[in-house]
Amino acid sequence: QPVLTQSSSASASLGSSVKLTCTLSSGHSGYIIAWHQQQPGKAPRYLMKLEGSGSYNKGSGLPDRFSGSSSGADRYLTISNLQSEDEADYYCETWDSNTRVFGGGTKLTVL
Amino acid sequence: QVQLQESGPGLVKPSETLSLTCTVSGDSIGGYYWTWIRQPPGKGLEWIGHIYYTGTTNYNPSLKSRVTISVDTSKNHFSLKLSSVTAADTAVYYCARFYTLIDGIDSWGQGTLVTVSS
Repeated sequence: QPVLTQSSSASASLGSSVKLTCTLSSGHSGYIIAWHQQQPGKAPRYLMKLEGSGSYNKGSGLPDRFSGSSSGADRYLTISNLQSEDEADYYCETWDSNTRVFGGGTKLTVL
Repeated sequence: QVQLQESGPGLVKPSETLSLTCTVSGDSIGGYYWTWIRQPPGKGLEWIGHIYYTGTTNYNPSLKSRVTISVDTSKNHFSLKLSSVTAADTAVYYCARFYTLIDGIDSWGQGTLVTVSS
C-alpha cells in the first residue's frame, strides 16, 4: 500500500506564501491525494483533491489563496497571502481500493 | 450540506468494547462510503475502516481483528465497535464520508474523545 511522507513542520510570515509537500512512496507516484487542514482543537477540514497531473478540485468555500500542484511523486499545497487562521496542521490522504492512508502531517506556523 | 455527528460513551474500561454511532443529516447515507478515523492525543490521523451504504466493509489490517463497522440506512447512521480496548485506543474518533473509492474524504464529523481507563 502507499506511504505518504510530510515534513513535520513549516513556517512562513503573515502575508507571504508557503508550499507544503506530500511525497508518495516508490511505485505510487501516480496516485491521487487529498489535502486536509486541522486548526487547533478542531476537526479536520477537506481542502482539495489533487491528481498527479496537477489538476485539483477544491472544497466548497475554500479561498483562492489555496492551490495545488504536482511533480512526479510530490504533491504540493500552496497557500498565498498567509493569514493567522492558516496556522494549522495539514494532512495529505491517499487510498487504494481497500485502504486509506494519511501522511504524518505538517504543522504550519504563521510568524 | 451534509453534517456528521459522533455519539457514544466518552469513557470505556480496558478490555471492554468501544461503541460509537455517527448520525448523518442533510443528505442520505445512500450512495456514499462512510469511514472512521481516529487521532490519539497529540498525534496524527489513523484510518480505522470504511463501509459502503450497501454494507461492504474494509478495515485497517492492524485493527481488523477487533473492528466492526455497520450501517443502518433506515436511521441514516453508521456505527463502530472496537473490542478489547487498551489505553492505546484512547483517541478522538472522527466519522467522515467519501463519494467513491477514487475520492478523498470530503466531509468530517466534529469528533468525540474516547478515553480508555479503569
